[in-house]
Amino acid sequence: DAMVIQNPRYQVTQFGKPVTLSCSQTLNHNVMYWYQQKSSQAPKLLFHYYDKDFNNEADTPDNFQSRRPNTSFCFLDIRSPGLGDAAMYLCATSRDRGQGPSNQPQHFGDGTRLSIL
Amino acid sequence: SQKIEQNSEALNIQEGKTATLTCNYTNYSPAYLQWYRQDPGRGPVFLLLIRENEKEKRKERLKVTFDTTLKQSLFHITASQPADSATYLCARWNQAGTALIFGKGTTLSVSS
Repeated sequence: DAMVIQNPRYQVTQFGKPVTLSCSQTLNHNVMYWYQQKSSQAPKLLFHYYDKDFNNEADTPDNFQSRRPNTSFCFLDIRSPGLGDAAMYLCATSRDRGQGPSNQPQHFGDGTRLSIL
Repeated sequence: SQKIEQNSEALNIQEGKTATLTCNYTNYSPAYLQWYRQDPGRGPVFLLLIRENEKEKRKERLKVTFDTTLKQSLFHITASQPADSATYLCARWNQAGTALIFGKGTTLSVSS
């Protein structure tokens, strides 16, 4: 089945130690998104790639970076994790973006839960 | 700002009853609203989307309505089952069409 896969499911890192989360998709979708979700809160969009075009949300801290080396893979890098970065990180894809005639749902992976020691 | 509000954090109902969840939006009316289901420790799963010119949309036991006058969408699950217990998220695109904005969700618990 076509899907969105996130690895690892659980990640523990030390305060200030860089960490990378990965996401792969077999849907061949143009758009890949990274969300941060804290307990009982809405998923919050950090950034997205529309093909190779990177789009950062205005309030995403500089500590968060992303790479998309090809259509299938996308990475989230946290350069110096702080305690406030402990959260579930969700990767999602969609064929296109926007709310025009091609309005598409998003397909999510099961997330990586990041803990900071 | 373009907000999505799901006012009820939790809803508890008995098996067999109809669950009704509310989603309210602010500012401009989105062309579409989407509903997702999220189970604990899992990513959201898309359920339904409804266009602003569709008053109602159905899929099996699910029904979604869209009222642009009230700026509200209602999500109904008929003949609810314990397996329907989950958090349900409402979402809209921002005006630029570059970001999907989610509500906090309503956690539904169906008891047998």
